[in-house]
Amino acid sequence: AQSVAQPEDQVNVAEGNPLTVKCTYSVSGNPYLFWYVQYPNRGLQFLLKYITGDNLVKGSYGFEAEFNKSQTSFHLKKPSALVSDSALYFCAVRDDHRGDKIIFGKGTRLHILP
Amino acid sequence: DTEVTQTPKHLVMGMTNKKSLKCEQHMGHRAMYWYKQKAKKPPELMFVYSYEKLSINESVPSRFSPECPNSSLLNLHLHALQPEDSALYLCASSPRPRSDTQYFGPGTRLTVL
Repeated sequence: AQSVAQPEDQVNVAEGNPLTVKCTYSVSGNPYLFWYVQYPNRGLQFLLKYITGDNLVKGSYGFEAEFNKSQTSFHLKKPSALVSDSALYFCAVRDDHRGDKIIFGKGTRLHILP
Repeated sequence: DTEVTQTPKHLVMGMTNKKSLKCEQHMGHRAMYWYKQKAKKPPELMFVYSYEKLSINESVPSRFSPECPNSSLLNLHLHALQPEDSALYLCASSPRPRSDTQYFGPGTRLTVL
């Protein structure tokens, strides 16, 4: 069965420093991976996705993610964090058997400290 | 129009009330979704509509009744809810069924008293 794991409940980063939010995945076929962000009392916003192609995927708001097949990871990164990046981040994988279903990780709360 | 809209933003209802949540998109998307999200938890899929037909029901209690009157509109009818049904209800859409990206609305915050 498909699944994603986000090992950190919370990540704290000083403003201006690089940030990484970790995600590992488990899939039976080709991975379709996503990152979404949720600001307080808001819906989810799509950041980026990996389907095939380059292992470094660039997304919205300066975020990027690195797909690593050997480590089954899809970590979210940004070179220089902003206070406005503080939010809840979800890694997700498409269910291979039920393509309409996205399986979300538990979420990682990112705090950017001014 | 490149967004999914949901009304109302907030809803408070008693356990004997009947209410409806509304979701709308004008992006020409042919798949629409309802999710339930409890505080500090990931969204949980409830229903999927593909080309206006119900394609996935994740064993949701019958007190939740979805409806897709046309390709732009998705409703969730609520009846005899329980306090534990209080949550953020999110609607999403995607260009096609089994499409890779879902686009979410801002949600309806539901409180059941």
